[in-house]
Amino acid sequence: QSALTQPASVSGSPGQSITISCTGTSSDVGGYKYVSWYQQHPGKAPKLMIYDVSNRPSGVSDRFSGSKSDNTASLTISGLQAEDEADYYCSSYTSSSTLYVFGTGTKVTVL
Amino acid sequence: QVQLVESGGGVVQPGRSLRLSCAASGFTFSNYAMHWVRQAPGKGLEWVALISYDGSNKYYADSVKGRFTISRDNSRTPLYLQMNSLRAEDTAVYYCARATQPYMTTPPGGYWGQGTLVTVSS
Repeated sequence: QSALTQPASVSGSPGQSITISCTGTSSDVGGYKYVSWYQQHPGKAPKLMIYDVSNRPSGVSDRFSGSKSDNTASLTISGLQAEDEADYYCSSYTSSSTLYVFGTGTKVTVL
Repeated sequence: QVQLVESGGGVVQPGRSLRLSCAASGFTFSNYAMHWVRQAPGKGLEWVALISYDGSNKYYADSVKGRFTISRDNSRTPLYLQMNSLRAEDTAVYYCARATQPYMTTPPGGYWGQGTLVTVSS
């Protein structure tokens, strides 16, 4: 099972919106609702930002939103803030025997 | 509050074994599937293994299948990862994480441990 494909880096200015893509196949992203997004600051454990494609856990800012189209999921951060600078990973359920797979990760830089 | 605390990491020689533990508190441990996820130094997250809430189903990444065993003791709370035949490429911080929903093999959710570092080196 190969990792899901994410852009290595995305950047934006404060206040702008950015979108991170996560591309898989019909055997993972395109076939199931279990797509999640995680934020990770250096030296810290990952934090769940989006689950089941578009649901936000309580306590997560509504500036974060998720969506999916065919085999590609997306995470959009609106009103970019300095604290959003971090690594972001998508994850999906997969029909392969391994069950779950992460994306390659995207470094978000706030200019 | 929910807390997950990993332990058991350290330096180990290639080919040797190590067992990681994850102590859970603040929720009904026996109701949730549990994951192990690892992160090699400077690299991305890699899903390692999952065990169902009752321990009846276990799933592994291809990279660890046949070498690692996930288990749990619902009479207490530990989650375990027995790692055999360790390789240099197994060097990573290992996190345990709770599934998002009870009784289902859902993804790693909002609760993760702080991680424990495993270094495989001669």
